[in-house]
Amino acid sequence: DTAVSQTPKYLVTQMGNDKSIKCEQNLGHDTMYWYKQDSKKFLKIMFSYNNKELIINETVPNRFSPKSPDKAHLNLHINSLELGDSAVYFCASSPTSRGQETQYFGPGTRLLVL
Amino acid sequence: DAKTTQPPSMDCAEGRAANLPCNHSTISGNEYVYWYRQIHSQGPQYIIHGLKNNETNEMASLIITEDRKSSTLILPHATLRDTAVYYCIVRVMGGGSNYKLTFGKGTLLTVNP
Repeated sequence: DTAVSQTPKYLVTQMGNDKSIKCEQNLGHDTMYWYKQDSKKFLKIMFSYNNKELIINETVPNRFSPKSPDKAHLNLHINSLELGDSAVYFCASSPTSRGQETQYFGPGTRLLVL
Repeated sequence: DAKTTQPPSMDCAEGRAANLPCNHSTISGNEYVYWYRQIHSQGPQYIIHGLKNNETNEMASLIITEDRKSSTLILPHATLRDTAVYYCIVRVMGGGSNYKLTFGKGTLLTVNP
């Protein structure tokens, strides 16, 4: 009954590789997000999609490309991985991109770039 | 969105009430106060939110001062599982394309047995 799920939970890879993280929500929400939590534990938004349309792009390097095949899925593809990409990536969803709606977070994907 | 200030850490005895303060002196009239928490190695979890009235749900109570420049999150009977980083976030209502949560450093609440 997981509301927001992410795969994989852990990802260890070499610099320069390309990797993808998948996110799925079964809450029927319209909006999904990707957040990054770095080693200092700061949690920052990266992207947001509303009904498969990109609505937030927070100055993230273009090596990061989100893709939303449908409103229940938001995947994150990262090209040419760098050491600084090591972090925990959280997916979240909310009923809509406007208003007071709360966000529901997934368990996170721990990415380590060697 | 308005900036918030929280103490970096607090301790609480198990079974006691935990009162977590948050200052948001530059809050605007259309901005809500949200509280989230992050238990170690988990994703953030929504707790409660309010505009100007006090709010209560099954997890906590939110007390907002009359001038709305500060608020307090109250966990009435803290348990060991409430040990987490608590984030106070202020954001506009109806954010449209700019809707997002801006997390600060939060308060690490440690509940001791």
